[in-house]
Amino acid sequence: QSALTQPPSASGSPGQSVTISCTGTSSDVGGYNYVSWYQQHPGKAPKLMIFEVSKRPSGVPDRFSGSKSGNTASLTVSGLQAEDEADYYCSSYAGSNFYVFGTGTKVTVL
Amino acid sequence: QEQLQESGPGLVKPSQTLSLTCTASGGSISSGTYYWSWIRQPAGKGLEWIGRIHTSGSTNYNPSLKNRVTISIDTSKNQFSLNLSSVTAADTAVYYCARLGLGTRLFDYWGQGSLVTVSS
Repeated sequence: QSALTQPPSASGSPGQSVTISCTGTSSDVGGYNYVSWYQQHPGKAPKLMIFEVSKRPSGVPDRFSGSKSGNTASLTVSGLQAEDEADYYCSSYAGSNFYVFGTGTKVTVL
Repeated sequence: QEQLQESGPGLVKPSQTLSLTCTASGGSISSGTYYWSWIRQPAGKGLEWIGRIHTSGSTNYNPSLKNRVTISIDTSKNQFSLNLSSVTAADTAVYYCARLGLGTRLFDYWGQGSLVTVSS
């Protein structure tokens, strides 16, 4: 089982939007609506930002949104803020009680 | 609010067994609503799911590690543990424990992480 593919980096100025893709296969991203996204600041544990493709946990700003089309999921951060600068990882259920993570994307706020 | 804390040796010799324990507080590990997982992250690299255990004792492992990994649970201590045998330098990583929702399939609470270095 291979890791999901994410772009290594993405960037935007404060107030702008950035979208991160997460590409898998029909056996993971495309096969289930169990895609989640995690934010990780340096030296910290990942934090859940989006689950079940597009749902936000309590306390996560509505600037964060998720979607999916076919085998590719996406995370959009609107109205970028300095504190959004972090690494972002997608994750998907891949059947047979197996989970796979993405390769990670470093988001830079210019 | 659930809190998880990893503990164990920070240095393990090659070919030996890596052992870590995760202690949960703020909630009962006996809850059947969750799985309890281990995830690792080599320095500068991405996350890798290692496996999970349910309070019933049911386990599932990443096939890439399946022959070397064992996850166990001790509900009396509100703890679950990871054993990874025959380690090499490639197993050097920060190891996280995390709570996995049974139906939601998301990792909602994470420990702070424990760095384990494999070196002689």
